[in-house]
Amino acid sequence: DGGITQSPKYLFRKEGQNVTLSCEQNLNHDAMYWYRQDPGQGLRLIYYSQIVNDFQKGDIAEGYSVSREKKESFPLTVTSAQKNPTAFYLCASSPLGGRSYEQYFGPGTRLTVT
Amino acid sequence: SQQGEEDPQALSIQEGENATMNCSYKTSINNLQWYRQNSGRGLVHLILIRSNEREKHSGRLRVTLDTSKKSSSLLITASRAADTASYFCALFGSGANNLFFGTGTRLTVIP
Repeated sequence: DGGITQSPKYLFRKEGQNVTLSCEQNLNHDAMYWYRQDPGQGLRLIYYSQIVNDFQKGDIAEGYSVSREKKESFPLTVTSAQKNPTAFYLCASSPLGGRSYEQYFGPGTRLTVT
Repeated sequence: SQQGEEDPQALSIQEGENATMNCSYKTSINNLQWYRQNSGRGLVHLILIRSNEREKHSGRLRVTLDTSKKSSSLLITASRAADTASYFCALFGSGANNLFFGTGTRLTVIP
């Protein structure tokens, strides 16, 4: 998990509340990503950013928002509009040089909304 | 779909045996990557194979790629209990700017 931190590890919220998940990297990577993982499933891309102040929607962006004000940080807000927010959220980063897009992952945040 | 599909979904073997998992896909790729995920943790990159490569090795890992069949396989030799994890293939498609992950193979190595 080196170089990428996600906090907190576990997060509990009441339905109807917005919640922001933190992701910080010290790898000097240009690109950062947010994924959602449901039990026994693969990763689904929520948002990604390749440069500061720019980001793109992934496959399941509805109900989520992001910002990229600093290269090191890419917080994800799960809004009350997200119908099934309980999931495991993974942040990743990758260097864009060489264009291999090898990704480095944080340890994840498990969000439970009741 | 730009995702890979892993096969089998789950695999259980004895320690010391070899484990083989496969990934099939439908699009053109620039490279294919394999990742490992221990339960409740983030993913760890294992190995990357480019579209013009046929085989790569890294320690006990061997990856093959057959672009004509649009398939890749990951072989873990002399498995250990610590290899118990989920393994995902991820595709970097031609013209794409991010990875597409499959649903994974859950490997259990019995001591």
